[in-house]
Amino acid sequence: DGGITQSPKYLFRKEGQNVTLSCEQNLNHDAMYWYRQDPGQGLRLIYYSQIVNDFQKGDIAEGYSVSREKKESFPLTVTSAQKNPTAFYLCASGYVLNTEAFFGQGTRLTVV
Amino acid sequence: DQQVKQNSPSLSVQEGRISILNCDYTNSMFDYFLWYKKYPAEGPTFLISISSIKDKNEDGRFTVFLNKSAKHLSLHIVPSQPGDSAVYFCAASGGSDYKLSFGAGTTVTVRA
Repeated sequence: DGGITQSPKYLFRKEGQNVTLSCEQNLNHDAMYWYRQDPGQGLRLIYYSQIVNDFQKGDIAEGYSVSREKKESFPLTVTSAQKNPTAFYLCASGYVLNTEAFFGQGTRLTVV
Repeated sequence: DQQVKQNSPSLSVQEGRISILNCDYTNSMFDYFLWYKKYPAEGPTFLISISSIKDKNEDGRFTVFLNKSAKHLSLHIVPSQPGDSAVYFCAASGGSDYKLSFGAGTTVTVRA
C-alpha cells in the first residue's frame, strides 16, 4: 500500500540524549515536511525538503537536524540542544506546488 | 509571526446544523489553501482545498469559500455529524515557497 510511515509511534528518551524519528514514504512525493504539535497548539514547521540532499529550516528549526539522502526518507533528529523536545511530531509528504500534503500517524516523543 | 490564523479555538454545534470555521491569512503570496481534520494522537487528514483562482469549492458536505480581498476563507460543514468532532486546521502555501503554513486549529464538537 502507498503511504507515509512514521516510526515508532511512542518514544521515550532521557534528557540530554539525541533521538532520531523515522519518516518513509512510497508515494513518489518530492516534498517532505516535519511538524511539531504541542497540546492546544497548531502545527509548527520544523524542516522541509523539496529534493534529495536539499532542505530548508522552518519556523522552529533550532535544536533539530534532518537529512534527505533518499527521496523516500526524511529522518528528523531531536538533539540535546532542543529545550522542550516533548511533543507530538508529524511528518508529511506531497508534490511541490498546489497539492495537498499527506501526513503520517505521528510519533509522540517524551523526554524524561 | 503567524501567517495563518484561526481565531476561534473551539466551536460547538448541534447535530444536523451547519458548522462554519473561519481562517484569516496575512501573506498575499498565498495562492493555495487547504483544510485538514485531525483526531487526537493521529496525523491530520486532508479534507478540501481551493486555489486562489476560485472563490468556492464544494465536496459533499464540505464547502470552502475564499475571499481574497479580505484574505479570509471559511469551511462550511452541512449537515454536521457526530463523526465531524475533531480539530480542523487551515493551511496555506504559495509564492516561491512551497512550504505549508498552518493555523492553530479549531476544535469542533458536534452535540447530539
